[in-house]
Amino acid sequence: QQQVKQSPQSLIVQKGGISIINCAYENTAFDYFPWYQQFPGKGPALLIAIRPDVSEKKEGRFTISFNKSAKQFSLHIMDSQPGDSATYFCAARAGYGGSQGNLIFGKGTKLSVKP
Amino acid sequence: ETGVTQTPRHLVMGMTNKKSLKCEQHLGHNAMYWYKQSAKKPLELMFVYNFKEQTENNSVPSRFSPECPNSSHLFLHLHTLQPEDSALYLCASSQDRGSLEQYFGPGTRLTVT
Repeated sequence: QQQVKQSPQSLIVQKGGISIINCAYENTAFDYFPWYQQFPGKGPALLIAIRPDVSEKKEGRFTISFNKSAKQFSLHIMDSQPGDSATYFCAARAGYGGSQGNLIFGKGTKLSVKP
Repeated sequence: ETGVTQTPRHLVMGMTNKKSLKCEQHLGHNAMYWYKQSAKKPLELMFVYNFKEQTENNSVPSRFSPECPNSSHLFLHLHTLQPEDSALYLCASSQDRGSLEQYFGPGTRLTVT
């Protein structure tokens, strides 16, 4: 059972455009929602994260929008650049229970930004 | 070296072989993790160690055997693997179990023939 659903699977954006990746979750016990960025040949690295009591968080060109009632959150990349081309994973952290602290990842979105 | 390192970076092994993957973290963290990354699938958590003690085994087949001799080193011993075990195996560490940020190594690309 996939607890974090991510879409789209792949995304092609022109340089300067806005990239939007969406995630939805089912478990209300999640207490932290990070996004990880992975370049080819590298491991994932934390990009930006949000807690469920905040509706939006912005860091530079990257913004997370969080809709707690809809159980959805999204990553927006403004003024997308070719260097942003990577695979992006959303994740959710289990807040309690036997899996407390574990990260549950989405399937990933491969972003290609065309010059 | 800094961060999380993994060796080897690539490994090809037959189904009857025995091999080991190594992970080392230079961050002073107390928790370490093994993940499996397959194409078009979410990262799958395999094992969690906190202060050298295994705190989670996510229903992983016994042909995968983890070892954590100290907080800086983590091994994944492999034996009698199947072709479907071919994947990228990622090691990660965090300050403590459940810390907000996990730091990943570059992974070992494993191919089982």
